[in-house]
Amino acid sequence: GAGVSQSPSNKVTEKGKDVELRCDPISGHTALYWYRQSLGQGLEFLIYFQGNSAPDKSGLPSDRFSAERTGGSVSTLTIQRTQQEDSAVYLCASSLALGGTSGGQQFFGPGTRLTVL
Amino acid sequence: QKEVEQDPGPLSVPEGAIVSLNCTYSNSAFQYFMWYRQYSRKGPELLMYTYSSGNKEDGRFTAQVDKSSKYISLFIRDSQPSDSATYLCAMYILGSQGNLIFGKGTKLSVKP
Repeated sequence: GAGVSQSPSNKVTEKGKDVELRCDPISGHTALYWYRQSLGQGLEFLIYFQGNSAPDKSGLPSDRFSAERTGGSVSTLTIQRTQQEDSAVYLCASSLALGGTSGGQQFFGPGTRLTVL
Repeated sequence: QKEVEQDPGPLSVPEGAIVSLNCTYSNSAFQYFMWYRQYSRKGPELLMYTYSSGNKEDGRFTAQVDKSSKYISLFIRDSQPSDSATYLCAMYILGSQGNLIFGKGTKLSVKP
């Protein structure tokens, strides 16, 4: 596709439910990133993928968060047992490669707005 | 002290004005500097990408980096109502895992 796509665009869920957020990066981009944007908090980095591998999961807020990427393309971010503090916009970005000059040129999707009631 | 500081505004200017947006940072290891524009309920859009100190111009936009002062700026000339958005600065260390460090964003409103 022409840009990064994310689905769903909006998700309302009840506290304690699991949610799955999907990201489809720009074709040919090997690096993929997840960020979270909360009101007043700015953009917070969560995790990155180089191909299908996520070497560093330390940015994930808790062990309720997990992410995977398959086929070097689509990625899913899963939040288990959602809490109200998980409410935020979850943004996915991709870049041509990880690191180097292209690593800083990240292109973002429209985000998934998650509301936990 | 946060790594990247950015005045959240809001900043309101009349159409045609020159807009100056700024960020300061504390980590001298930052090497790449970006400006993103984010419209309401949309994802951030990469506007400018710079590496060295100095100016980079693209149309009505000029990005300026002063590494000695740890200060970056974005200038918008002949501002238009369509420039109304939140502007986010972001920084990156070459060789890092690739995560961008963002300022909190400045909300700009250009009045016709």
